[in-house]
Amino acid sequence: DAGVTQSPTHLIKTRGQQVTLRCSPKSGHDTVSWYQQALGQGPQFIFQYYEEEERQRGNFPDRFSGHQFPNYSSELNVNALLLGDSALYLCASSDLNGRTYEQYFGPGTRLTVT
Amino acid sequence: QKEVEQDPGPLSVPEGAIVSLNCTYSNSAFQYFMWYRQYSRKGPELLMYTYSSGNKEDGRFTAQVDKSSKYISLFIRDSQPSDSATYLCAISSDMNYGGATNKLIFGTGTLLAVQP
Repeated sequence: DAGVTQSPTHLIKTRGQQVTLRCSPKSGHDTVSWYQQALGQGPQFIFQYYEEEERQRGNFPDRFSGHQFPNYSSELNVNALLLGDSALYLCASSDLNGRTYEQYFGPGTRLTVT
Repeated sequence: QKEVEQDPGPLSVPEGAIVSLNCTYSNSAFQYFMWYRQYSRKGPELLMYTYSSGNKEDGRFTAQVDKSSKYISLFIRDSQPSDSATYLCAISSDMNYGGATNKLIFGTGTLLAVQP
């Protein structure tokens, strides 16, 4: 049973560029949440996708956008990168339709903005 | 005031010790409480998941929730060097409403080092 997978593992970008991160949820899960974890901090909720729609959003600017595909996988896009966007980006999946609410995290994508 | 407060540590204990990790929260609406373990440069791993007040045990781990004090704890018995990691508490008020979300609010994490 494959867990949550994310790609790429690491990424280095320059200020002003755009980046796309990808996530495949755990088998049987239908909901994907994205979190940003700065060094030494707990994860901060960015947004969540269910049934290909953004269901809830945290306190992040519109530069952060996402998408969910029919196979439940998801992408996180960040435009006009800032130095402060450097962080570990985590994807978590859960089974909302099956009322299994525990969120399982992937290994993350470490983004460095120079 | 932060919604969830957690002592960042670091906490250093000898092998075999009982470890107590704690979080406090501010909103009495929170009902779901989780503990995650995160090894360096890895994603968080779900350890314990509890609903409302009371205790839950799983092997060497015990999660405790006191809603009257807005205080949650994770106890690790017979700690091992492999338990060395950052422990994150996470809470949520609404696991499913209107067909929507189960956003988690995390503490900052406590770094634990178990010395052999």
